[in-house]
Amino acid sequence: LAKTTQPISMDSYEGQEVNITCSHNNIATNDYITWYQQFPSQGPRFIIQGYKTKVKNEVASLFIPADRKSSTLSLPRVSLSDTAVYYCLVGDRNSGNTPLVFGKGTRLSVIA
Amino acid sequence: ETGVTQSPTHLIKTRGQQVTLRCSSQSGHNTVSWYQQALGQGPQFIFQYYREEENGRGNFPPRFSGLQFPNYSSELNVNALELDDSALYLCASSSGGAYTQYFGPGTRLTVL
Repeated sequence: LAKTTQPISMDSYEGQEVNITCSHNNIATNDYITWYQQFPSQGPRFIIQGYKTKVKNEVASLFIPADRKSSTLSLPRVSLSDTAVYYCLVGDRNSGNTPLVFGKGTRLSVIA
Repeated sequence: ETGVTQSPTHLIKTRGQQVTLRCSSQSGHNTVSWYQQALGQGPQFIFQYYREEENGRGNFPPRFSGLQFPNYSSELNVNALELDDSALYLCASSSGGAYTQYFGPGTRLTVL
């Protein structure tokens, strides 16, 4: 059973900033928050991972409030190629054999 | 650096048959995990192999089995195929069972 809740779908126009929020009310002390992106007929691709506050890389930013019960993936100035399913996962990244537990993800559609 | 590769890309089988799917892990990775992804769903964990030993298993029946070889490549075997086994099968590799996993493109299995 997935430990996260996120919107089923979102639409955005090209050039806009997109924020996808994920709820993880029962996150454990050792859990990290990880986001994956998946294009049709491809495997998921790691985007970003964080524990608290803010993380940023060349693809996205991840905002995590102090209580860590939610997180927001921010995609700046999306393009058509950002149309994909985005998955939020939580788990102990330091455990030797933690499987990734995926929910249904958020289907982002970017419109021209 | 070579990424995760899987073969074949597509496969069609009939009910009751057996199938073997193959995965080559990313260079330097010693852990391989297998996932099943039904249409419209997130990937579901089947099992993980670390240094040629099964290192965790999801809620899949024993007719799903696997192997990992000394070069860390892996096979997924499914016996007595059922219609519900039709899915995208994903292989992911990581180093030491780390939480961040790198996925291959998947094998699309259709059972008729």
